[in-house]
Amino acid sequence: AQKITQTQPGMFVQEKEAVTLDCTYDTSDPSYGLFWYKQPSSGEMIFLIYQGSYDQQNATEGRYSLNFQKARKSANLVISASQLGDSAMYFCAMKLLNTGFQKLVFGTGTRLLVSP
Amino acid sequence: GAGVSQSPSNKVTEKGKDVELRCDPISGHTALYWYRQSLGQGLEFLIYFQGNSAPDKSGLPSDRFSAERTGGSVSTLTIQRTQQEDSAVYLCASSSQTGGGGYTFGSGTRLTVV
Repeated sequence: AQKITQTQPGMFVQEKEAVTLDCTYDTSDPSYGLFWYKQPSSGEMIFLIYQGSYDQQNATEGRYSLNFQKARKSANLVISASQLGDSAMYFCAMKLLNTGFQKLVFGTGTRLLVSP
Repeated sequence: GAGVSQSPSNKVTEKGKDVELRCDPISGHTALYWYRQSLGQGLEFLIYFQGNSAPDKSGLPSDRFSAERTGGSVSTLTIQRTQQEDSAVYLCASSSQTGGGGYTFGSGTRLTVV
């Protein structure tokens, strides 16, 4: 079974600063994928970034980067140069890649508030 | 279509009535997921369809919940004898890959049971 833990219910950051959202995961399977999604107040789920367990380098997508520490089973999201529009809920998710059923399991989320 | 389409966007129903929620995934996507999100909560997995395989129903909370996917495309989530605790946003997502990559979510159906 896989499990995702997000220990920060809420985070505050000032505009233009960087912020790290924590995510730890638990699985005994060596092949898995890690995802981050953003959910603004409008409710849609927006895919941000993906990291495969065998990827050699940390994933980056614009201002988003994933700090993947495999030994610690952590996959923290780093948002650089925060913008007011980054205020939203952020969800970490994981799925196993070598099984027939690839259920995407989500953490409980972190609410990020960016202040001017 | 260009994205995952869900209908209706909002549904208010009386306790005890049955409801059907529809999801139209991106054309060609073989994987389809239903999730439930209660107010201020995370996403709760309900059911997963992959191609022609038997679905993973392990997340359905009770036998009042069922889902089907016809022709490998459109999916319908049915809730029978609705209860107030069924009130939530029901999200559908689809994916073309069995490996990595993003899943595309629909805008959800907000269900309110009164």
